[in-house]
Amino acid sequence: GAVVSQHPSRVICKSGTSVKIECRSLDFQATTMFWYRQFPKQSLMLMATSNEGSKATYEQGVEKDKFLINHASLTLSTLTVTSAHPEDSSFYICSARRWRANTEAFFGQGTRLTVV
Amino acid sequence: AQTVTQSQPEMSVQEAETVTLSCTYDTSESDYYLFWYKQPPSRQMILVIRQEAYKQQNATENRFSVNFQKAAKSFSLKISDSQLGDAAMYFCAYLDGATNKLIFGTGTLLAVQP
Repeated sequence: GAVVSQHPSRVICKSGTSVKIECRSLDFQATTMFWYRQFPKQSLMLMATSNEGSKATYEQGVEKDKFLINHASLTLSTLTVTSAHPEDSSFYICSARRWRANTEAFFGQGTRLTVV
Repeated sequence: AQTVTQSQPEMSVQEAETVTLSCTYDTSESDYYLFWYKQPPSRQMILVIRQEAYKQQNATENRFSVNFQKAAKSFSLKISDSQLGDAAMYFCAYLDGATNKLIFGTGTLLAVQP
């Protein structure tokens, strides 16, 4: 089956610093990757859609300058949380779809970000 | 805009029994995909079952089956012979064909009692 690897699984950073989260499709090409944020016991909230070779599309209310997304290749998308604050602490999940197969999405294992 | 509603925040089932999780959605599209995802305590999202709207036959995957009522815009998940490992958060999701976005419901936390 298709595998999406997300790294790191956990990260603790100091307030004011930046942290990068990677999302890789290991055995397929993903033209589109999605980034979600999930608060405890809540649903997944879509933050942005990342398309290879073009700018990401952000959902309403998501600060694009704070959550920088780069999708430089068909197998890698990154989310950088800039100038992190404690309120950015959350669980971040990426997902990817296969090239030319716009149905099932495969999810990474998620990243728990704690800003202290 | 499409919406997905899960009206049961929590459910409980005895081991080996059957449980049904409810999901309704709203869309003006005629062709779309619906999914049930499972999120265990590890928080890894796992696809449970998928249904194409143009297929009248309900999808089935081993102990998991759906009751897809297109006219009623209902997509419930039935888990038969429940096992302890089925305990998880279950999310119903709708795939917006125009944007390729998955729209998730609020989730149902399923507990399985031994």
